[in-house]
Amino acid sequence: DIQMTQFPSSLSASVGDRVTVTCRASQTVTTFLNWYQHKPGRAPKLLIYAASSLQSGVPSRFSGAGSGTDFTLTINSLQPEDFATYYCQQSYSNSWTFGQGTRVEI
Amino acid sequence: QVQLQESGPGLVKPSETLSLTCTVSGDSMRSYYWSWIRQSPTKGLEWIGYVYYSGSTSYNPSLKSRVSMSIDMTKNQFSLRLNSVTAADTAVYYCARGSIVAAGRRIDHWGQGTPVTVS
Repeated sequence: DIQMTQFPSSLSASVGDRVTVTCRASQTVTTFLNWYQHKPGRAPKLLIYAASSLQSGVPSRFSGAGSGTDFTLTINSLQPEDFATYYCQQSYSNSWTFGQGTRVEI
Repeated sequence: QVQLQESGPGLVKPSETLSLTCTVSGDSMRSYYWSWIRQSPTKGLEWIGYVYYSGSTSYNPSLKSRVSMSIDMTKNQFSLRLNSVTAADTAVYYCARGSIVAAGRRIDHWGQGTPVTVS
């Protein structure tokens, strides 16, 4: 199993802030790393795929970087609708895994 | 636009089998990974497994002994069976589509989720 560790587990931020979430894999996942946004009562939403590619329709303030074992999700100029939980997910192995999530709070 | 819709009982008794079906509309099922993911009340997202359009499967090792998935492309449906359930299996269950892209595989479409309680 490839374990995915996110940090921090939660953070507090204000509208307009720049926020960075980190995800570390227990072994290389090359660029098979995705980021999702999840709000209560809604389906998760794909933000970034293949480590750094922006999913169609996702605002450009979201960006992803990294390869191998270390990855980041950055939100530039945090907006009110961005308060949510963010998950990384690897699809390198045939047993996919999610990180434990990072809750972004006001 | 592809849409996914989960269906199945919202209440399952302990030790019995949880069975869910996902109906896909708006696109072919060919060439995709058809996945199940859940979120329990106090935890994050947990990948349960997938069934590839060819019928091959991959399951979460922690659930592998209790899980089976299948696909019926003639009905545009895929299914999840989880046996010997306990209260720990109480969760919102999502069906989702995984697609292959350059340098990766992504989960790009999700159902709305269906809550299942084991009690």
